[in-house]
Amino acid sequence: QSALTQPASVSGSPGQSITISCTGTSSDVGTFNLVSWYQQHPGKAPKLMIYEDTERPSGVSYRFSGSKSGNTASLTISGLQAEDEADYYCCSYRTGDTYVFGTGTKVTVL
Amino acid sequence: EVQLLESGGGLVQPGGSLRLTCAASGISLNANAMSWVRQAPGKGLEWVSGISGSGTRTHYAGSVKGRFTISRDRSKNTVSLQLNSLRVEDTALYFCARDRGALVDTGAVDYWGQGTLVTVSS
Repeated sequence: QSALTQPASVSGSPGQSITISCTGTSSDVGTFNLVSWYQQHPGKAPKLMIYEDTERPSGVSYRFSGSKSGNTASLTISGLQAEDEADYYCCSYRTGDTYVFGTGTKVTVL
Repeated sequence: EVQLLESGGGLVQPGGSLRLTCAASGISLNANAMSWVRQAPGKGLEWVSGISGSGTRTHYAGSVKGRFTISRDRSKNTVSLQLNSLRVEDTALYFCARDRGALVDTGAVDYWGQGTLVTVSS
């Protein structure tokens, strides 16, 4: 089972916007509107940031938004802040009632 | 406050077994599907297994199928993962996580525990 593909790292200055991509296949990202995104700070458990491609859970900042086109989903962080520096993972439902995570992206705030 | 607490991790030799348990406080797990997700040291997240809210449907990643067994005890509000025939590559922090729905088909988990460390080494 191959993981979804994410860039290893993305960086930006405070206040800027950055976008993290997540590329899958027609067996997962491309067929189902079931991509989620997680933020993980060092030594901490992951936190759900986006679900069902574009939905934001209660309590998550409006600066985080999700989108999708074809087999690629994206997470955009606008108004980048120092506290956004973390690892980010996408996840998708995959045919056969399994989930698959992305390879992970380290976000650095310059 | 919602809390998930994993236990049962430890050091085990290759070929050995462990049983991980996830207990919840502040929330009932019985209506939601549950998943186990692992993270090898310095590596990314890997979904391992999931079980429906009713406990009747179980699912596994290819890397653990036939070796790991997920189950739940609705009376105790717990979910367990039996790890058999352990390999060095199973070494990881194992998280339990609550799914947003009753089946393993939402693509999202909303509550996570802090994890329990499994180390497979001779």
